[in-house]
Amino acid sequence: NAGVTQTPKFRILKIGQSMTLQCAQDMNHNYMYWYRQDPGMGLKLIYYSVGAGITDKGEVPNGYNVSRSTTEDFPLRLELAAPSQTSVYFCAGRTRGQGETQYFGPGTRLLVL
Amino acid sequence: AQKITQTQPGMFVQEKEAVTLDCTYDTSDQSYGLFWYKQPSSGEMIFLIYQGSYDEQNATEGRYSLNFQKARKSANLVISASQLGDSAMYFCAMRENAGGTSYGKLTFGQGTILTVHP
Repeated sequence: NAGVTQTPKFRILKIGQSMTLQCAQDMNHNYMYWYRQDPGMGLKLIYYSVGAGITDKGEVPNGYNVSRSTTEDFPLRLELAAPSQTSVYFCAGRTRGQGETQYFGPGTRLLVL
Repeated sequence: AQKITQTQPGMFVQEKEAVTLDCTYDTSDQSYGLFWYKQPSSGEMIFLIYQGSYDEQNATEGRYSLNFQKARKSANLVISASQLGDSAMYFCAMRENAGGTSYGKLTFGQGTILTVHP
């Protein structure tokens, strides 16, 4: 199993551009999460999903959108990139009934200039 | 108020010594979970240990143990016999139950950078 994978690893965006951060998993995770980590800080929850077609906002959802059309994929969309969105983005997954642990992807580093 | 507080921005330890990383939390839930994650310089998040609020025994995973003091609302991570590879950022995190509908969402502290000296 590849686990939780994220693409791209690194991206530079210009202000106002849009992009989609991809997240995929092959671990049958019901729950999936998007976090952002600003320099020197802990992670903050952006959005989460409890299953295909079901998503909800986390702590810092402004400027982002998500979708979950399949169990395996959970893309994060930035519509109008702003410098404040410069961060490292982590996707994570967890399987209901198989403990509490969230398994994280390797992260996507995003720089908005 | 901060839900998770890690008061040690940085810690230093000699190789083979034990070190304790502090974590205090704030919740009104009776059911919650506490986690520690390690983030090496390569950036990935590595799960270390989990403690449930109803667990009577302190959690242990190899060289990692969680010193859970419920009345004090603290969940300190103890690393025994430190190794050079333990040098990393360490995050404490909490999952609250929120009436049974938290869906596992985690709240993270700001982290502690641990440096292990040879």
